[in-house]
Amino acid sequence: SYELTQPPSVSVSPGQTASITCSGDKLGDKYACWYQRKPGQSPVLVIYQDTKRPSGIPERFSGSNSGNTATLTISGTQAMDEADYYCQAWDSSTVVFGGGAKLTVL
Amino acid sequence: QVQLQESGPGLVKPSETLSLTCTVSGYSISSGYYWGWIRQPPRKGLEWIGNIYHSGSTYYNPSLKSRVTISVDTSKNQFSLKLSSVTAADTAVYYCASGTPPGAGTYFDYWGQGTLVTVSS
Repeated sequence: SYELTQPPSVSVSPGQTASITCSGDKLGDKYACWYQRKPGQSPVLVIYQDTKRPSGIPERFSGSNSGNTATLTISGTQAMDEADYYCQAWDSSTVVFGGGAKLTVL
Repeated sequence: QVQLQESGPGLVKPSETLSLTCTVSGYSISSGYYWGWIRQPPRKGLEWIGNIYHSGSTYYNPSLKSRVTISVDTSKNQFSLKLSSVTAADTAVYYCASGTPPGAGTYFDYWGQGTLVTVSS
């Protein structure tokens, strides 16, 4: 079965750029999306089809996907961005989630 | 805007069947979209359970497929989840969500608030 691998944790200082990776075999040949989940809240879609931002998502969130790695980048990270982030892709008629990465804004 | 709301028992006994319903408002299920169930066990990540189209076609997580049934009731604008032979490992927050068709980079754009289901005697 297809697997997506994320680092368990990522740390960033306020105002700096955070990069969260998601690795999978030939992931660049598929579409990746990203969800933000804060404690006690439902997941929120922040990036879809590799690079697109849904309405209402700040411009500081961006995405890329090439080779075996998709990356979520948060520019000018704010304290409110501290959350768990999950990547997701579609493979062989199944939805696959990464294990999630906890972003800490120090 | 699409709104989803999960409902169902918060406590299920081991070996019994977990049953949840998702009520959709602001959008007609018959108009399109895929409708999905996702869960998150305590201290773990998101796990996809399955999707259904308004026509009734389904996609299931292979690891759960033998125990899962997802159905749709367009007259009530609802879709439902049944998970049989539950164990403590099925304890999780269960979410329903609206999703795009497979093959187009499927993703879930609207989510319910989630409901905690505990499996315990």
